[in-house]
This record gives sequence, structure tokens and C-alpha cells, in this order.
Amino acid sequence: GAVVSQHPSWVICKSGTSVKIECRSLDFQATTMFWYRQFPKQSLMLMATSNEGSKATYEQGVEKDKFLINHASLTLSTLTVTSAHPEDSSFYICSAKAAELNAYEQYFGPGTRLTVT
Amino acid sequence: AQSVSQHNHHVILSEAASLELGCNYSYGGTVNLFWYVQYPGQHLQLLLKYFSGDPLVKGIKGFEAEFIKSKFSFNLRKPSVQWSDTAEYFCAAITSNTGKLIFGQGTTLQVKP
Repeated sequence: GAVVSQHPSWVICKSGTSVKIECRSLDFQATTMFWYRQFPKQSLMLMATSNEGSKATYEQGVEKDKFLINHASLTLSTLTVTSAHPEDSSFYICSAKAAELNAYEQYFGPGTRLTVT
Repeated sequence: AQSVSQHNHHVILSEAASLELGCNYSYGGTVNLFWYVQYPGQHLQLLLKYFSGDPLVKGIKGFEAEFIKSKFSFNLRKPSVQWSDTAEYFCAAITSNTGKLIFGQGTTLQVKP
């Protein structure tokens, strides 16, 4: 149980275009979802926290207009990288937690590798 | 600011050697601690977690960790590593005041057959 999927697993886009990444909780309702960014050989950095039906809370230094997060349902959150540039190339990972499961435990998706050319 | 520190960035061991990876956190209140593993090309998997109770926590694949409150530490151990343990290991903490999962820098473990 507690499976989180991400789609796509990898994407290549041209500079200036937008890319949407989906994060789904497959067998539980995710009241809260998180988006992380991981640079090569580095740790995960929290970008934003989203609760179903409300606006996402962004971490300091993360541009909310560039990284649009939508948590429209209890099983789906999307991250849209708008006007992508090569410096946005990274590994994006989502996680989810649910009220009915342990309140402090997050379940991670497999990640999406974004390459901007 | 709250932080998690992992002291070993890259560890190389031979099979059957014992492993200990250090993790320290900076927060004086209630904290929940985790160790995650990321095998090459795979997603993060939870190895073990500590919320309360017995400070010696046993996880999957023979891993264990000990929470020492006085030292703000949560070191990961395994008595005998295998080649398949080659991976990236992340210590993480959630503090009661933020509810956010904060990750350490990660430790790359390379086990030589």
C-alpha cells in the first residue's frame, strides 16, 4: 500500500516551453503533497507543500510563478515548470501523506527527470 | 534554522564489513527521524523511522538506527553490508513545529564485492 506515482518519469523540453509533472497517490487519499528538487549527487530540497483545495506554500527562494502547483483532488497534484530554462533541469520528486496513515510519514514517488535544452 | 547533517559523504566498504553512518539534527523539541535509501535509478525507500519509544529502531534489510537524544544523533548501522547495499542514504527529520521533512546531504555507500 501507500504507492505514489509520477508522470512522466523523464522529459526533455526546449527552453521557453512549459512542462507539467503529475503526482498521484494510487491507493490512499493524499491530504498533503510535497514537491522536492534534487540536483545530481545532492540532497532533496523542499520546494513547496500543497494541501488539497488550497494554494501551495512555497519555500523561500522558490518562484511561485515559475513553479505552479495545483492540488485539485485528494489523489493528484501537478507541478508545472513554466518558461523552462536549462538551469531548471533537475530531478523532481513528489511525496504524499495521508491523514489515515501515519501523520508524519511521507510516501515518495519515483521522480521525474527534467532536461531543458 | 533546523538542519540535518550527515558527516560521511562517501563511504567505501568491502562486503561483510560493518557500517555506521552518522546523522545529527539541530532541534531541541520533538523530532521524528527517518533513514531513506535511494538505489541507483530508483526512488526513495524508507529504511526505518523513529517516533518515540525504544531508541533502537530496526528497519528493513538488516539496518538499525539508534536515537541518542543527548547527542542529537540518529546513526544508521548494519553489522555486515552486502554489495546490494550500494546506494545513496539520506537521514531526514520532521520537527513538531514545522511538519516539514528536512533531509541531510546524503551519503553515498559503495560496497565492493
